[in-house]
Amino acid sequence: EVQLVQSGAEVKKPGESLKISCKGSGYSFTSYWIAWVRQMPGKGLEWMGIIYPGDSDTRYSPSFQGQVTISADKSISTAYLQWSGLKASDTAMYYCARHTGAVSTQGDHWGQGTRVTVSS
Amino acid sequence: QSVLTQPPSVSGAPGQRVTISCTGSSSNIGAGYDVHWYQQLPGTAPKLLIYGNSNRPSGVPDRFSGSKSGTSASLAITGLQAEDEADYYCQSYDISLSGLVFGGGTKLTVL
Repeated sequence: EVQLVQSGAEVKKPGESLKISCKGSGYSFTSYWIAWVRQMPGKGLEWMGIIYPGDSDTRYSPSFQGQVTISADKSISTAYLQWSGLKASDTAMYYCARHTGAVSTQGDHWGQGTRVTVSS
Repeated sequence: QSVLTQPPSVSGAPGQRVTISCTGSSSNIGAGYDVHWYQQLPGTAPKLLIYGNSNRPSGVPDRFSGSKSGTSASLAITGLQAEDEADYYCQSYDISLSGLVFGGGTKLTVL
């Protein structure tokens, strides 16, 4: 069974750094892309970027380029989303999703989400 | 402002048929890129509902169907049930942005 299991909820202060994770199982982790999607409270889905763990090819949405870093460790089948200086506006639910490609493909399996709260 | 435009809300009585539109442009849907649809039940992660414009993943009832024409796509739900009450999102690829894009989402209310 394909599963994407994300790390637990986080509460951080503005300016702090954070790295959340998404662990894949039940499939060849290096053969699929992993996308990250933001959902701010009461709002819609926003695509942040995508990574191919096989060779770490990474693409970012222009809206998130330079704001976050997406990475992966294929040895432990885990993708990451990280911030170096959180802002209150980063408060949101973050989802990872598996894609077969970086262009025009669907997210066929999703993680359960990681809630990030940034507050002083 | 989402790249793909969806109505904020639709509603229908049990048993009825509703459609949700997703309007794009020549840089995404109109360029030939596939449209996919997701269902997000309250408090849960999105779930793939339709892929490749009109295909249903295993386990999705045939009450759900998708279509695409020109720069738009549509999701149709027939025989509405209370359990269909959720947010629905379309997704495609935009060549100008070089990335995936979502619609703003549509809240379906079953009256």
